[in-house]
Amino acid sequence: AQRVTQPEKLLSVFKGAPVELKCNYSYSGSPELFWYVQYSRQRLQLLLRHISRESIKGFTADLNKGETSFHLKKPFAQEEDSAMYYCALSGPDTNAGKSTFGDGTTLTVKP
Amino acid sequence: GAVVSQHPSWVICKSGTSVKIECRSLDFQATTMFWYRQFPKQSLMLMATSNEGSKATYEQGVEKDKFLINHASLTLSTLTVTSAHPEDSSFYICSARRLDEANVLTFGAGSRLTVL
Repeated sequence: AQRVTQPEKLLSVFKGAPVELKCNYSYSGSPELFWYVQYSRQRLQLLLRHISRESIKGFTADLNKGETSFHLKKPFAQEEDSAMYYCALSGPDTNAGKSTFGDGTTLTVKP
Repeated sequence: GAVVSQHPSWVICKSGTSVKIECRSLDFQATTMFWYRQFPKQSLMLMATSNEGSKATYEQGVEKDKFLINHASLTLSTLTVTSAHPEDSSFYICSARRLDEANVLTFGAGSRLTVL
């Protein structure tokens, strides 16, 4: 069964500090991994996906198949990064293409 | 970009009544939409997968007779909470898969349901 684990429910860092939100997954095939973000009073939105290999708002995430991880990183956190972050997995084997979400990590960036 | 509209954004109803929530993809077609419940500061709980032109697929533990889902067109899915009770009060969110970006989800803004 596919599973996404975000071990940290809450994460707090100071502005300018590096931040890493952890995500581990279990999936038997070739997964596609995503990070979604939900800012306060806003809808969930896609932040980035591993196949794009791009940096969005300074965030990057590398898929490590050996460690089955897809950690989200940013070298210098900003206050506007405070939000809830969800790691999600999807793949060709999933039922109707539905994604599996982690429990989310609430990031607080303090001034 | 892709936009999903969800309506109403909030609704208050009396216990025992039914409430319908709409999820529309405004500028793309969505063969598949998903319905979730989100509890405060918690993750999304997938309730069901809504497939255009066919029956919805419900997750384990979700009562299909209580949460009726209809996906009559490529741009509209509805969730009807029947005979609502206070424990059904929650934030309901829909998402849609684009045909051209199969695994990317576009989310609605959510609907806050309060059952008195």
